[in-house]
Amino acid sequence: AQKVTQAQTEISVVEKEDVTLDCVYETRDTTYYLFWYKQPPSGELVFLIRRNSFDEQNEISGRYSWNFQKSTSSFNFTITASQVVDSAVYFCALSETGQLTFGSGTQLTVLP
Amino acid sequence: GAVVSQHPSRVICKSGTSVKIECRSLDFQATTMFWYRQFPKKSLMLMATSNEGSKATYEQGVEKDKFLINHASLTLSTLTVTSAHPEDSSFYICSARSGQRITEAFFGQGTRLTVV
Repeated sequence: AQKVTQAQTEISVVEKEDVTLDCVYETRDTTYYLFWYKQPPSGELVFLIRRNSFDEQNEISGRYSWNFQKSTSSFNFTITASQVVDSAVYFCALSETGQLTFGSGTQLTVLP
Repeated sequence: GAVVSQHPSRVICKSGTSVKIECRSLDFQATTMFWYRQFPKKSLMLMATSNEGSKATYEQGVEKDKFLINHASLTLSTLTVTSAHPEDSSFYICSARSGQRITEAFFGQGTRLTVV
């Protein structure tokens, strides 16, 4: 069975601080995908990144970066120089067959 | 990436009426569609999986007669909330998967249902 754990329920930072959102997953498959989604107050899911299980290379996209560590089954997400517009709920998700299993989400609040 | 369109984005209905939510894949054939429900301040929970041309597979605890899912074509799946009650108020979101890329799914924009 697959499982995604986001231990941080809520995080609050001041603008321009860096923040890391943790994600730990469980799966028995060797082939899988990991995702991060942003859900702003409007509700839609905004796709941020997809990483397959065979690619452990870390990725940077602007202020966003992701650290994938298969040895610890973690896929952490870091926002550098956070902005108020980053305030949202962030979900980590795991997919083996297209069906996604979501973590419980982390509510990030960036204060001005 | 592929586009999935969900309609309506918001709907308010009276208790006892039925509401239909549509999920369309616009530029690919969706052999499988997934329906999720999200309660306020909660994660997304899978309700059911539907494969084109066959009956949907519902997750444990989801009422089949309450949440009717139809996937009659490769580009359209519908979720009908029958005899809606206030406790059905929630955010519903679909995702669609092409059979050729089984580890990837694309999400619709979601539908916020309010039953009054």
